[in-house]
Amino acid sequence: SQQGEEDPQALSIQEGENATMNCSYKTSINNLQWYRQNSGRGLVHLILIRSNEREKHSGRLRVTLDTSKKSSSLLITASRAADTASYFCATPDRGSTLGRLYFGRGTQLTVWP
Amino acid sequence: GAGVSQSPSNKVTEKGKDVELRCDPISGHTALYWYRQSLGQGLEFLIYFQGNSAPDKSGLPSDRFSAERTGGSVSTLTIQRTQQEDSAVYLCASSFAPGQGVNGYTFGSGTRLTVV
Repeated sequence: SQQGEEDPQALSIQEGENATMNCSYKTSINNLQWYRQNSGRGLVHLILIRSNEREKHSGRLRVTLDTSKKSSSLLITASRAADTASYFCATPDRGSTLGRLYFGRGTQLTVWP
Repeated sequence: GAGVSQSPSNKVTEKGKDVELRCDPISGHTALYWYRQSLGQGLEFLIYFQGNSAPDKSGLPSDRFSAERTGGSVSTLTIQRTQQEDSAVYLCASSFAPGQGVNGYTFGSGTRLTVV
């Protein structure tokens, strides 16, 4: 299976702290994406990092990709209560840029005020 | 429309009944996907449509599940003779075709299906 696996399964922090979530995957990829899900409904695309990129930033989000270790991390800096959600990494089929995505089980992040 | 629209948002049905779930993707997105998510679980791929190509149905769990996409736009997921294990949130997403600006999926808000 190409499914990514997020780690940890759950993370609980105070507002203002940084949150780091990790993702590991099994096959070579063209890109890796991170999504957020609030309250078990639709997911929101956060950021996409290509296989030739090592780091990418978007606002308070920082994503890294290590293709040699087949892993990625998502860092949320200066977290807020509104960041409370589940976070998923997703990868496309080997050799594909998009199409079907494989999602992990997610990390449940809780940010306490 | 501005986003991916799914209807109904909630559906309660009796075991054995058929249900239809609808997805209206973003205009211009040629790819459409159906996933389902059981409570506390990740997303399970069901089916993928890309333009006029034959759909990738490899994720459909049984022959009770079928989906169609008419005119390259709206899609309907049909579950026949529903079972309790079909209870889940069914999520639809759309995207540009692979290679046409890779910006990820846009998801709808989902249909929460409860089979009683």
